[in-house]
Amino acid sequence: DTAVSQTPKYLVTQMGNDKSIKCEQNLGHDTMYWYKQDSKKFLKIMFSYNNKELIINETVPNRFSPKSPDKAHLNLHINSLELGDSAVYFCASSQDRGYPIEKLFFGSGTQLSVL
Amino acid sequence: QQQVKQSPQSLIVQKGGIPIINCAYENTAFDYFPWYQQFPGKGPALLIAIRPDVSEKKEGRFTISFNKSAKQFSLHIMDSQPGDSATYFCAASIRETSGSRLTFGEGTQLTVNP
Repeated sequence: DTAVSQTPKYLVTQMGNDKSIKCEQNLGHDTMYWYKQDSKKFLKIMFSYNNKELIINETVPNRFSPKSPDKAHLNLHINSLELGDSAVYFCASSQDRGYPIEKLFFGSGTQLSVL
Repeated sequence: QQQVKQSPQSLIVQKGGIPIINCAYENTAFDYFPWYQQFPGKGPALLIAIRPDVSEKKEGRFTISFNKSAKQFSLHIMDSQPGDSATYFCAASIRETSGSRLTFGEGTQLTVNP
């Protein structure tokens, strides 16, 4: 069973469209994250949720909106897609938000290409 | 602002060689330092981690060396194998009021030639 699964794996879309990426974890973890990996492989945190509560909200355009219906799911909705949004988006989870984060479990990523 | 600087950007070694990847940080509030390994098409996975109260940690062929006074830490891979070819990320954790935050280095693409 995949611990952190995200769909779709690939997403190709036109500029201006709205798209969503879904993530689910079956590890029973309390905290989930969205990371963005750019073309140079740099990993940057976007959001973090703990038990459906937003706890980290980095400086990302407000076109990006995370939603956590329950602690096992964290979805990412992106409005009005732009060329610069092209990247790989990773969902991750950890046991809790406590200190330190002992281990992050990452999904396999969603490659978003905006044309 | 990049708080964890990683070098080199890429590294090529022969099988059996000992690649070394270095990281440096400025913020002394960081106090947990993991390394993640990422294969193409996969998400990063925790490889090994160290707390700053020790100077070295070894797990199998992977060793972290930590120099608290210099605010530097490095990953050594002994007897490297082609299967170790991957991107390696150092990271640093910091406690915040909302929880912990993990900041990643820029990554090092390692190639181990047969």
